[in-house]
Amino acid sequence: NAGVTQTPKFQVLKTGQSMTLQCAQDMNHEYMSWYRQDPGMGLRLIHYSVGAGITDQGEVPNGYNVSRSTTEDFPLRLLSAAPSQTSVYFCASSSPGQGAYEQYFGPGTRLTVT
Amino acid sequence: GQNIDQPTEMTATEGAIVQINCTYQTSGFNGLFWYQQHAGEAPTFLSYNVLDGLEEKGRFSSFLSRSKGYSYLLLKELQMKDSASYLCAASRDNYGQNFVFGPGTRLSVLP
Repeated sequence: NAGVTQTPKFQVLKTGQSMTLQCAQDMNHEYMSWYRQDPGMGLRLIHYSVGAGITDQGEVPNGYNVSRSTTEDFPLRLLSAAPSQTSVYFCASSSPGQGAYEQYFGPGTRLTVT
Repeated sequence: GQNIDQPTEMTATEGAIVQINCTYQTSGFNGLFWYQQHAGEAPTFLSYNVLDGLEEKGRFSSFLSRSKGYSYLLLKELQMKDSASYLCAASRDNYGQNFVFGPGTRLSVLP
């Protein structure tokens, strides 16, 4: 199993550009989440999904869209990039069937908006 | 509001025991999680408490008191590889999702 994969690993955008961060998992996990991590602020939840077709907002959803058309994929779309969205983005997945709601994190995407 | 507090930094000696505290105030609570994150890497799961009491997993133990909004992570027989950030997180919904994370505690283990 590849686990949770994220692409790209690094990205530089100009203000106003849009892009999609990709996240895929091959563990058949129902739950998937997107976080951003900024220095001194820990991880902040952007959006999450408890199954295909179901998404909900987390703590900092503004400026981001998600959809969950399949169990495997959970892309994060930046609609119009702003310098405040410079961050490290992590995708995570988990399954209640494994009992402990342990989240498996992808390696992260480092995004810089200039 | 949603608030999770933990110390910013801690230092300990190889072979010693260290306790990292976490206090939380969240609307809705369905479990307290601890993750380890080495610099430049993704977080990895350490432990999970949903009921009061102590959970032990090898050198790591985690404790929860729901009435006090308090948890701690205990690391025994510290090794140099334990130098990392330790993240406390509370789940706020019935799915065990919708997490709020604390800022993390950076632990340095000295020889």
